[in-house]
Parts: sequence; structure tokens; C-alpha cells
Amino acid sequence: QQPVQSPQAVILREGEDAVINCSSSKALYSVHWYRQKHGEAPVFLMILLKGGEQKGHEKISASFNEKKQQSSLYLTASQLSYSGTYFCGTEIDTNAGKSTFGDGTTLTVKP
Amino acid sequence: AAGVIQSPRHLIKEKRETATLKCYPIPRHDTVYWYQQGPGQDPQFLISFYEKMQSDKGSIPDRFSAQQFSDYHSELNMSSLELGDSALYFCASSAGQGLWDYEQYFGPGTRLTVT
Repeated sequence: QQPVQSPQAVILREGEDAVINCSSSKALYSVHWYRQKHGEAPVFLMILLKGGEQKGHEKISASFNEKKQQSSLYLTASQLSYSGTYFCGTEIDTNAGKSTFGDGTTLTVKP
Repeated sequence: AAGVIQSPRHLIKEKRETATLKCYPIPRHDTVYWYQQGPGQDPQFLISFYEKMQSDKGSIPDRFSAQQFSDYHSELNMSSLELGDSALYFCASSAGQGLWDYEQYFGPGTRLTVT
């Protein structure tokens, strides 16, 4: 079942922060985050495994709350290059070899 | 400029056979990513390697394995092929790992058809 992302779109000024959420109605094994720029293939950002993981570095990080079946992507001090569409992909079975993508969140960073 | 090279570009195999896909990253790139894109589907991240060690593992079936060699090229080994494995397999490389804003450069892909 497709995860739900929120918000659908975000417009920021350079230097502002953003949070993108990804929720599932099913128990998750892992959550993947991707960024896609217009006309390009989605690029893998990071994966979080069940167990309540948090990953990232000072500018971007993500958390995975297994109990709430949701993940959040945190973008700090955004730059123009952060613009794009962010997708989460959720995997409910470790051996299934398939993850399901949300509809994406479009992030626009303006000068 | 040199790009990511994938071989073969096309591969046809029968069910239950094995297949090996190769990826040659851009020179001086130390990170390789593998993606699978089925017909009409979003690309799925499979696995990545940094400095010859597996760094992240995504939606990769147990029938698949991969490794990165000392010259940084990578191979994706697929066994007991199923019809559902038919897809376009992309390899991407980057000059760093763990910092999300390193650009990933994609190869042209290998189209695998399982009959």
C-alpha cells in the first residue's frame, strides 16, 4: 500500500528549514528517501531500517518511528540545490525486494 | 568526459538461469549504487558500495548479490531468475558517500529480459 507524504509542496527561502513526512498504514521494514530533479532519475539519499533509526548529517537527516509507522526527512538551512521532488519508498517485507513510493513532496527553494 | 559504463546493455535469460551485470564507475568515483526499474515502475534502490564495502542495502532479493572490486567496478549477480526480474538495471557512481549532496552519475542501464 502506498505511503502518504506530507506536505505535497513546500516553498522555502534559502536558509530556512523543512520537514517532509512519510506515513504508512502497515508495519514497515525500511524507509528509503530519494530526491528527483526535473528531467533526471531519482537519486537515492538514505535508507532507514526498523528499530527507530536516525541518520544523516548536519544539513539533512531522517528519522524512522517504527511504532508510528512513519519517517520524517529534515532539511536544514536549505540551499537552492535542495530544490526537487522528494520521495519516500517503504518496504514492508525484507525479502520482498520491492518498495512502494509515495506521491512525492515538491520542494522549491528561492533566493 | 568519461561516464559510467554498464555491460552488457541488453541481456536475455531464461527462468532459473543466472546473470551478471557489470558497472564501471567514473574514474576516481569510489561509490557505486544499483537500481532496478521495472516496466512502468519507479526505480528501486537495490544496494550500494563505498570503498569496496557494502554501505546500504535496499530492496534487493536474497537471490541477488553484488560486490565492488579493487578497481571500484561492481558486479550484480542474479540467480534463479524469475520473470519479474525483467527490468532496466541502472548503476550510478559518486565521488563520496554518506554526504547526500554528492551527485550520482547514472549509467545507461542494462535491460534484462527473463523469458
